[in-house]
Amino acid sequence: QAVVTQEPSFSVSPGGTVTLTCALSSGSVSTNHYATWYQQTPGQAPRALIYNTNIRSSGVPDRFSGSILGNKAALTIAGAQADDESHYYCVLYMGGGISVFGGGTKLAVL
Amino acid sequence: QLQLQESGPGLLKPSETLSLTCTVSGGSVSSNIYYWGWVRQPPGKGLEWIGTIYYSGNTFYNPSLKSRLTISVDTSKNQFSLELTSVTATDTAMYYCARRADWFPGWFDPWGQGILVTVSS
Repeated sequence: QAVVTQEPSFSVSPGGTVTLTCALSSGSVSTNHYATWYQQTPGQAPRALIYNTNIRSSGVPDRFSGSILGNKAALTIAGAQADDESHYYCVLYMGGGISVFGGGTKLAVL
Repeated sequence: QLQLQESGPGLLKPSETLSLTCTVSGGSVSSNIYYWGWVRQPPGKGLEWIGTIYYSGNTFYNPSLKSRLTISVDTSKNQFSLELTSVTATDTAMYYCARRADWFPGWFDPWGQGILVTVSS
């Protein structure tokens, strides 16, 4: 089964911009993987931020954006705020109904 | 507003069968534009996709769980369910149910609040 890799941790300064990535062990991520990004704070269910690579879910601020950067899916957070400090997970669709989550990135805002 | 609620036992012994139900309100599991799925998260760890079902009963399973897993749907009760046999401590996790868009696989929204399942002797 394919492995989806994310940076285990990242930090950003308040007001800064950070890009988290989502890589595939078996090759390049493309729009055919329908990358989806979730934010999860402790004790809460995940919240969808971005789906289909670059579409923001309802209510998600436009400082969150998704893209393909090189051979990876990417989530960019601009103007980072304290409450952006969370875990971020990507999930890639592998075809045949199968999805694989990345291991998640713990983002610190400091 | 669509809401999902997981229910089931919170504590199991090794080798037992885990059975969870997700009750859907504010929407219908019989919708032909959505799938319904399960995702789990061991304590302190990341998310793992378990499987997904369509109202017709068509299912997709995580290959690593497929031999122990059954997901079913009961349209009369507006519920879908998960059964995982021969559980071990590694199945200890928060289990979430969620709706998945047909046309955007991977997009699970909304989610239930989750139910913590502990496997311990």
